[in-house]
Amino acid sequence: GESVGLHLPTLSVQEGDNSIINCAYSNSASDYFIWYKQESGKGPQFIIDIRSNMDKRQGQRVTVLLNKTVKHLSLQIAATQPGDSAVYFCAENKNYGQNFVFGPGTRLSVLP
Amino acid sequence: AAGVIQSPRHLIKEKRETATLKCYPIPRHDTVYWYQQGPGQDPQFLISFYEKMQSDKGSIPDRFSAQQFSDYHSELNMSSLELGDSALYFCATSFGNQPQHFGDGTRLSIL
Repeated sequence: GESVGLHLPTLSVQEGDNSIINCAYSNSASDYFIWYKQESGKGPQFIIDIRSNMDKRQGQRVTVLLNKTVKHLSLQIAATQPGDSAVYFCAENKNYGQNFVFGPGTRLSVLP
Repeated sequence: AAGVIQSPRHLIKEKRETATLKCYPIPRHDTVYWYQQGPGQDPQFLISFYEKMQSDKGSIPDRFSAQQFSDYHSELNMSSLELGDSALYFCATSFGNQPQHFGDGTRLSIL
């Protein structure tokens, strides 16, 4: 079936550097995407979302880029901090309000 | 701000037993989703409810059932438990087409 996946399963960055986490999706009908952060022992936490009529959206220290041509999504974290260490999932759906398909996750480790 | 509440946080059962997991949504949220997350895996969608009616169904085994009540809380009922059912079970809730917000899950361990 169609699914969402990630290029890099692990990512280590120095504190203060920028992080980029990538995600490829295969369902061209997907029109809504969310990045979630999951810390150990906790549920996925909403970070930022983007709809298919946009190609960029910015939040506090985070930016999501959507390239529909190549079906690619990325999450950029500026000035990465130790508290950013977690597993990051991209999730997509093709109907607002319906269930999401999650990618396999990327573990971000922030080095001191 | 109020979050999604799941209970219990931890549950230990033996094979062939039954279990009931509960989810209390954020106030005003009318849609509930259940996900299963195995160790090192991404969350897998099980089932969802909107206004007390099943709205979508994923990879939920026939041994499992769920419902949403008039106060919008939801329960996931699991029977004939198997070792492979050991996982984190997350509930997420949403209002309209707003993003889903997740609870902190129930860790189910089958002995």
